[in-house]
Amino acid sequence: TQLLEQSPQFLSIQEGENLTVYCNSSSVFSSLQWYRQEPGEGPVLLVTVVTGGEVKKLKRLTFQFGDARKDSSLHITAAQPGDTGLYLCAGSSNQFYFGTGTSLTVIP
Amino acid sequence: GAGVSQSPRYKVAKRGQDVALRCDPISGHVSLFWYQQALGQGPEFLTYFQNEAQLDKSGLPSDRFFAERPEGSVSTLKIQRTQQEDSAVYLCASSSDRGYTQYFGPGTRLTVL
Repeated sequence: TQLLEQSPQFLSIQEGENLTVYCNSSSVFSSLQWYRQEPGEGPVLLVTVVTGGEVKKLKRLTFQFGDARKDSSLHITAAQPGDTGLYLCAGSSNQFYFGTGTSLTVIP
Repeated sequence: GAGVSQSPRYKVAKRGQDVALRCDPISGHVSLFWYQQALGQGPEFLTYFQNEAQLDKSGLPSDRFFAERPEGSVSTLKIQRTQQEDSAVYLCASSSDRGYTQYFGPGTRLTVL
């Protein structure tokens, strides 16, 4: 059972466009993480957010943790082909849960 | 190497065979996790070790799945009498901080024919 729902499931955009991926749950998490996974590899951690309302920026990526610590968003500005991959949110409570995933394709 | 390694990277098994998947975590990491990932989906938790103790095995889908970490380092996930629905990528991750920061291996892709 996956408690974290991501939307959209698939996203195909042109290079230079902006996009937002959402991660939603009815459960409260003590922390939430975002990972990026490329084919044939394991997920790679991008960021961890722990405080409700927290915003973190990583170059063109902006991550926000919801005030109630139940949801999060990932915004990418001026997407590039190198951003292509499977984006996963993951939440920590008494266990570790991954989201359903968002497959992003950035077309040159 | 500095990262998490898994072997084999690919495994093809006939239905009914037993398989063993190995995970070498980052040296010194006390926490180790196993996940099952279907194509295009997020990983699903299988089990968690802290050192040699298996603290959570609630995600193991059946009693055909067994994991061990006898010396608190290398871990093996064993699947007995494999079924076609066991086909997936099996990911291992290790952590030094009870899981808040997990480092993943490349996974083992299991195909059951």
